[in-house]
Amino acid sequence: AQSVTQLDSQVPVFEEAPVELRCNYSSSVSVYLFWYVQYPNQGLQLLLKYLSGSTLVESINGFEAEFNKSQTSFHLRKPSVHISDTAEYFCAVMNTNAGKSTFGDGTTLTVKP
Amino acid sequence: GAGVSQSPSNKVTEKGKDVELRCDPISGHTALYWYRQSLGQGLEFLIYFQGNSAPDKSGLPSDRFSAERTGGSVSTLTIQRTQQEDSAVYLCASSTALTGGYTFGSGTRLTVV
Repeated sequence: AQSVTQLDSQVPVFEEAPVELRCNYSSSVSVYLFWYVQYPNQGLQLLLKYLSGSTLVESINGFEAEFNKSQTSFHLRKPSVHISDTAEYFCAVMNTNAGKSTFGDGTTLTVKP
Repeated sequence: GAGVSQSPSNKVTEKGKDVELRCDPISGHTALYWYRQSLGQGLEFLIYFQGNSAPDKSGLPSDRFSAERTGGSVSTLTIQRTQQEDSAVYLCASSTALTGGYTFGSGTRLTVV
């Protein structure tokens, strides 16, 4: 069995400030890790993923996440946020031997001017 | 098609009626998933189809829920004798392989009155 805990349900931040959205997972087997984003009135879309190799992965819009196996974490960070980053962010874990993912409850990021 | 298509986008039904929700995945995606998202909560896994393998039905909440995938493509999720607690957004996703991450549809918002 596996589980995902997103430690903050709401994160308000001012524009151009740095942000970290925290994600911890629990699993007895090897996993792949994902962050998905849901912008207002839009569907869920994949933001970035860790499968293997470098533990630091990046998205095209400046977010990055680092896989920390010892701390079982996959926190999402951005050094300077924009108003357009306002969205709900979901962390997900997938057993490397099975196709289904377990999702966290989501973190609502609100960027204020 | 270009994306995952779900229909209807909204469905209001009376308690006790049966409903069918449809998902048309991206052409060539062998894996198809159903999740549901209740207000303010994360994504709850329902069922997973991978190629010609037997589906993983471990997330279906009761025997009122069933799903099929015809010809390895379109899937239908059926809820019999709907209850108010079935009200949620039902999301379908597809992927090319275990490690690909999901492409989600826009969802079907089901309201049971």
